[in-house]
Formats: sequence, structure tokens, C-alpha cells
Amino acid sequence: NAGVMQNPRHLVRRRGQEARLRCSPMKGHSHVYWYRQLPEEGLKFMVYLQKENIIDESGMPKERFSAEFPKEGPSILRIQQVVRGDSAAYFCASSPERSGNTIYFGEGSWLTVV
Amino acid sequence: EDKVVQSPLSLVVHEGDTVTLNCSYEVTNFRSLLWYKQEKKAPTFLFMLTSSGIEKKSGRLSSILDKKELFSILNITATQTGDSAIYLCAVEDAGGTSYGKLTFGQGTILTVHP
Repeated sequence: NAGVMQNPRHLVRRRGQEARLRCSPMKGHSHVYWYRQLPEEGLKFMVYLQKENIIDESGMPKERFSAEFPKEGPSILRIQQVVRGDSAAYFCASSPERSGNTIYFGEGSWLTVV
Repeated sequence: EDKVVQSPLSLVVHEGDTVTLNCSYEVTNFRSLLWYKQEKKAPTFLFMLTSSGIEKKSGRLSSILDKKELFSILNITATQTGDSAIYLCAVEDAGGTSYGKLTFGQGTILTVHP
């Protein structure tokens, strides 16, 4: 049973470009979470999605960031017009149900904006 | 707003030492407290604590929660170089759509020297 799969693992973008990060949850998991880890900081919640629904996006920046979890395919975190401050590790996590102890994290996507 | 504070921020010990990592929290509606180990990749789940005074153990690691004083400790006995990592504490809020929405502390960086 594969774990939470994220790609790309590393992504370099120039300022103003778009970044798309993908996350395939563990098999049987219908809940997806995105977290961001800025340099020297802890993990910060961004968004919680179920299939075709955004449940809680209270941690998402108001502009340039969006997330989706379509009926088919991976969850996508999209960052438009990236700026240097977006450089961070973006972790996806999934769970089979609404229970904190069964949240499994992917290995992260490291975004570097140059 | 939920808050988690970990101490110390960093710790350097020698193999064989015992360490205690601290986590204090403020949360509106407490559901659980979780400990993760992060070694430059995915945070890996260690413990979930929901009840006060019940120690959870896994090998040389153990953890306990005090819901009255709002803190938890993570103990590692007979440390090994492989224990070197960032240890993350997180709380899960029980309210509304907050399932799986974890608030993390800034982490404790543990370095174990041979």
C-alpha cells in the first residue's frame, strides 16, 4: 500500500510563474490536507479537502493560492504568480476518515522561487 | 486561535542520554495531541494522546498528556544517533470542520552525538 505520494519533490520557479503541486492520497483515503513549512518555522495548516469539496481553507492565503481535489485524480495545490516568499516545503497529508491519529504525511514538495 | 509551544527549541546530547521534550498548548476544543518525528522528509507519526495520565510507549519513546495543565512530554531513553531529528508536537481541534486540522509547534531539533 503506497503512502501519500507527492510530486514533484523539488520544483524551481521564477518569480511570476505558476507552481502546481500534486498529491495522491493513500489508497482508501478520502480526506486530504495541505500544510506549508517555511524555513525555520513549524508546519502550518493551509486547506482541508474531500473529493470535490473544500471543507476548510482558513489557512490559505487569500490571493494566488488555490486547491482542488477532483473526483478523479490527485489533489492539486496551485500557486499563481509565485514570489520569493512562497519558497517552502509543501506537505500533503491524507486520512481515511475524520480522525487525527490516522493522518499520514507525504514526503513534501520543496518549492524554490528564484 | 490554537497555539502550541515546544521547548527546548534545540537540544544536543550524547548517545545513551535520556531526553525530555516539552509541549504546551492552548486549544479551543481539544480532541487530541500528536507527536511526529521529522527527518528532512515526511513527518512520521509517533503518538496520539487524548486522555490525561495515560502513558503511551513505543520502544525507547514514551509520552504522556496532562489536560489540566495543558502540556505533554516526550521522553526518549538511551538515545541513539538515529534519534536525531525534529520532533513536532501538534494539537487537533474538535470543533466544526476542524477534523485533521493540526496546529503544530515550532519543533525541537534533537542532535545525538556518538
